[in-house]
Amino acid sequence: DQQVKQNSPSLSVQEGRISILNCDYTNSMFDYFLWYKKYPAEGPTFLISISSIKDKNEDGRFTVFLNKSAKHLSLHIVPSQPGDSAVYFCAAPAYFGTGTSLTVIP
Amino acid sequence: DGGITQSPKYLFRKEGQNVTLSCEQNLNHDAMYWYRQDPGQGLRLIYYSQIVNDFQKGDIAEGYSVSREKKESFPLTVTSAQKNPTAFYLCASSDGGTRYEQYFGPGTRLTVT
Repeated sequence: DQQVKQNSPSLSVQEGRISILNCDYTNSMFDYFLWYKKYPAEGPTFLISISSIKDKNEDGRFTVFLNKSAKHLSLHIVPSQPGDSAVYFCAAPAYFGTGTSLTVIP
Repeated sequence: DGGITQSPKYLFRKEGQNVTLSCEQNLNHDAMYWYRQDPGQGLRLIYYSQIVNDFQKGDIAEGYSVSREKKESFPLTVTSAQKNPTAFYLCASSDGGTRYEQYFGPGTRLTVT
């Protein structure tokens, strides 16, 4: 049974707008979450993380929000750029979601 | 130049043959992992090792075996007992301790016919 879920397989956003990628988890024992970015035929690369003691972590254009009561986290990318087009995985830490393919349209 | 190397990038085997996928890291990381990715699915954990000479099964270990004789090396053997071995295999490592981010290799695409 999938413990980390990403229910949107794909997302398209105009360049300059906000991209919001969502992730849900079922195991309340998870206390650390990460987002990875992946290009085709390559390994994922680490993007940003958040500990359960925080509800927000920001790194440049990327912000991750954590709602522990809802067992939900989201990744916000503002402003979105064409180079952000990739598959984004949520992880906790060795349990991965199925990924969301983001396309940023110029 | 530190990183993780996986070889080969593409591997073809006949059904019934065992095959070993290589993974080497020079990041001095304690922990190493093997994942499998299938189309439309996330990364699923096969095996992981937190220290030399010790490893643990992940969610889908059946049909696979590993060894960790050296800190920098974590080879994965796909045995003939693995029912659906064709997949993209990813190796990763992490520092351990309080740092959870994993560093991934480029992957090996295994095709078994």
